[in-house]
Amino acid sequence: SYELTQPPSVSVSPGQTARITCSGDVLSKQYAYWYQQKAGQAPVLVTYKDRERPSGIPERISGSSSGTTVTLTISGVLAEDEADYYCQSADSSATFVIFGGGTKLTVL
Amino acid sequence: QVQLVQSGAEVKEPGASVKVSCRTSGYIFTANYIHWVRQARGQGLEWMGWINPNNGATNYAQKFQGRVTMTRDTSISTAYMEVNSLRSDDTAVYYCARDQSVNYYGSGSHWGQGTLVTVSS
Repeated sequence: SYELTQPPSVSVSPGQTARITCSGDVLSKQYAYWYQQKAGQAPVLVTYKDRERPSGIPERISGSSSGTTVTLTISGVLAEDEADYYCQSADSSATFVIFGGGTKLTVL
Repeated sequence: QVQLVQSGAEVKEPGASVKVSCRTSGYIFTANYIHWVRQARGQGLEWMGWINPNNGATNYAQKFQGRVTMTRDTSISTAYMEVNSLRSDDTAVYYCARDQSVNYYGSGSHWGQGTLVTVSS
C-alpha cells in the first residue's frame, strides 16, 4: 500500500515560519499537492506539482520537495493560517489518489 | 466563476443507499474529472474515486469498489455519487471536487460545500 506520513501537529508563534512535512516512497515518483482546511470548511488547494502556487495563494506559502519528503512552508505565520493541512499524491501508476493523515497547525 | 453545489444533508438507516449530487457551473463540465472525497467527523480526507464526465469512465478506490457508483448527467452539468449498503462508519461529509487540469492532475482545485450523510437507526 502507498502511505503518506505527516506529523499530527505543528505549533508556531505569529510571525514565525511553519514547516509541515509529508513523507512517502511514492513522492520520489509522483507530484505532491497541499490543501488547507479550516474548521467547518471545504479544503483549499494551496500548492500543486510540489512547488507551484494557484492564483490567489499568498507567496508566503510555498512547497518544496527532496527525495521522498515534501514540505509545506508558511512564512510570517498569521492567526488566519491556523488550520488542518493535508498532503496528497498518487500511487506509482497515477491510478489512485492518496492523502496524508493531516497536520493541525496551531498559531500560539 | 467555477462553482460546485452539492445536495443537502441526508439521514439514512443502515443498509440503505444514498445518492449525492454535485451541480457544476462556470466551466465546460466535460473538460475536467470530478473527484469524490469523504471526511468522517474529526478525521482526515479519504479519496473515493473519480468520474470522467466526458465519457462516464470511473475509477474507484479499492475500498469502495462494488459499493459506490459514480455517474453524471451532461445535460445539466451534474455529477452523482451513490453509496449502497450504508453502515454507521459511512457517516461523513462527502465532497465533490473538480480536477485542477483538463489534462488530469489528480488534484482538486474547486470543491463543493460538502454533504453530511448520517447513517443511524
